[in-house]
Amino acid sequence: QKEVEQDPGPLSVPEGAIVSLNCTYSNSAFQYFMWYRQYSRKGPELLMYTYSSGNKEDGRFTAQVDKSSKYISLFIRDSQPSDSATYLCAMSEGYSSASKIIFGSGTRLSIRP
Amino acid sequence: DGGITQSPKYLFRKEGQNVTLSCEQNLNHDAMYWYRQDPGQGLRLIYYSQIVNDFQKGDIAEGYSVSREKKESFPLTVTSAQKNPTAFYLCASSSHRESASGNTIYFGEGSWLTVV
Repeated sequence: QKEVEQDPGPLSVPEGAIVSLNCTYSNSAFQYFMWYRQYSRKGPELLMYTYSSGNKEDGRFTAQVDKSSKYISLFIRDSQPSDSATYLCAMSEGYSSASKIIFGSGTRLSIRP
Repeated sequence: DGGITQSPKYLFRKEGQNVTLSCEQNLNHDAMYWYRQDPGQGLRLIYYSQIVNDFQKGDIAEGYSVSREKKESFPLTVTSAQKNPTAFYLCASSSHRESASGNTIYFGEGSWLTVV
């Protein structure tokens, strides 16, 4: 079993829809959770960062962490064609850069105009 | 602007050749990383370095080598021993210092390596 599981998609939704992207994990020691967006043939860019449980909102994006269920989500409201990309979740146990960051395999998202 | 620069963007390698991918960062980050990305497999860690003149193997180090002679630079050599080198290679860096984004890492734009 992988430490981090992420549905690869592709996920296709109409413009304006609410998108829900999810990851599950097995290591209860994970405390730091990140979402990256990666456009085709580009490097991933950091979208959201959360520590421990709870919600964090940034514009149209909301990151949610449920440590009791070992489940994290990224919600995109009013989705736009420019949101079409691969979304990677990532997580780690510790704070220092020596702590290994584990990535999900990514979900491909397509927003239809 | 601060960031991570990888070069070349596209590289073709003949069988039996070694090739070196460049990675430079001006973010003053202590740690640097090399990842390999294949379709459907996500990111796999090749090597990482937390400080100058020190580096550690990641999950798939065989067939690769690195050096960290300067804080800003972390080149990756793909040797002829790497049996399946065709992939997208990503360099990344992170800071030891506390920040609002914790221990997040930042990526370069990537380098595509194709064996011909």
